[in-house]
Amino acid sequence: AQSVSQHNHHVILSEAASLELGCNYSYGGTVNLFWYVQYPGQHLQLLLKYFSGDPLVKGIKGFEAEFIKSKFSFNLRKPSVQWSDTAEYFCAVKDRDDKIIFGKGTRLHILP
Amino acid sequence: DAGVTQSPTHLIKTRGQHVTLRCSPISGHKSVSWYQQVLGQGPQFIFQYYEKEERGRGNFPDRFSARQFPNYSSELNVNALLLGDSALYLCASSLGDRVNGYTFGSGTRLTVV
Repeated sequence: AQSVSQHNHHVILSEAASLELGCNYSYGGTVNLFWYVQYPGQHLQLLLKYFSGDPLVKGIKGFEAEFIKSKFSFNLRKPSVQWSDTAEYFCAVKDRDDKIIFGKGTRLHILP
Repeated sequence: DAGVTQSPTHLIKTRGQHVTLRCSPISGHKSVSWYQQVLGQGPQFIFQYYEKEERGRGNFPDRFSARQFPNYSSELNVNALLLGDSALYLCASSLGDRVNGYTFGSGTRLTVV
């Protein structure tokens, strides 16, 4: 069965620090990959997605992610975080049956 | 355009009772999926429907059932509620093709006491 692993459960950074959240998936076929964000009290929102083409994907709010097929990874990055980035971040993969499998999430806390 | 709407937003039920959660997808979206999100965990897949047909089912007991209506809205039913069913239930809709992601609703917070 497909699975998604997020390396960090809880990350604390100061404003302006650089961010990288790790994500690895187990599915070996053609993958569609996503990062979703859940701000406190809000619903899941799509940050970015990868389907094909350029492995470096740019999303909203200055986030980007790089798909590295050989490492089964899809890490999320942001060069300089803001206090408003405090949220929970979920990596996800769409499997061959078109359902989305989520990782357990990473809680990001930005200190002002 | 309205997003994915779910009702009710909050619900408190007693063990053993039955609950029905409702979801209206984005206009034009034919695929609806249901997820359960327990506190501190990522969303877990429950069901997927496309064009009123069940397309996928996650690892949930038979107490969980769902259906999709001709207008593509959907209901999730849970019978014989257990304390462990307390969670945020998310509905997501998509066009049903392979190149788009899902748009999520705000969820229904179910508390079983």
